[in-house]
Amino acid sequence: ELKVEQNPLFLSMQEGKNYTIYCNYSTTSDRLYWYRQDPGKSLESLFVLLSNGAVKQEGRLMASLDTKARLSTLHITAAVHDLSATYFCAVDPNTGNQFYFGTGTSLTVIP
Amino acid sequence: DADVTQTPRNRITKTGKRIMLECSQTKGHDRMYWYRQDPGLGLQLIYYSFDVKDINKGEISDGYSVSRQAQAKFSLSLESAIPNQTALYFCATSAPGQDTDTQYFGPGTRLTVL
Repeated sequence: ELKVEQNPLFLSMQEGKNYTIYCNYSTTSDRLYWYRQDPGKSLESLFVLLSNGAVKQEGRLMASLDTKARLSTLHITAAVHDLSATYFCAVDPNTGNQFYFGTGTSLTVIP
Repeated sequence: DADVTQTPRNRITKTGKRIMLECSQTKGHDRMYWYRQDPGLGLQLIYYSFDVKDINKGEISDGYSVSRQAQAKFSLSLESAIPNQTALYFCATSAPGQDTDTQYFGPGTRLTVL
């Protein structure tokens, strides 16, 4: 059974601080995706990582992929309140665009 | 206008009723998906379709059926709704090799089964 695990599940952090969200998966895959979901809203694509060592950055968020360790990280730099949301990673285990999602990390940034 | 639309956005129904959720897209993507989201469980794939003639079961297809009426339309049916099908349902589309391979999600349908 394919598993995609995120930790932490809940994260409360102060504005200006740094933190990392981890996404571990249990099968071979060189495709990993990060999404953001605001309360009551749909999922918005943040990053697409398509090879080992891939690193993408957008604003205060940076995502990386280590396919050998089956690990992706989402690093938050100098958090601001607008980053409060739930973040999901998803893995496509090379079966043709079928995604398996992690359980999500609910991030709250406190002023 | 939104690229992926879902109707209805909210629905309350009773146990045993048949209900259909509809999804339409203007992105021109061949692949379409139905997911279910429950609190604390992330998204689970119900069914997916890679083209009009191709329908595949996902992780949790029991109790659900789908119809791909056209490239742009993909419907999800609950033949006899039960309370544990209360959830948020998302439709998504993708086109491998285009748009960076990501999936694009509709706004969701909140379904409550009493």
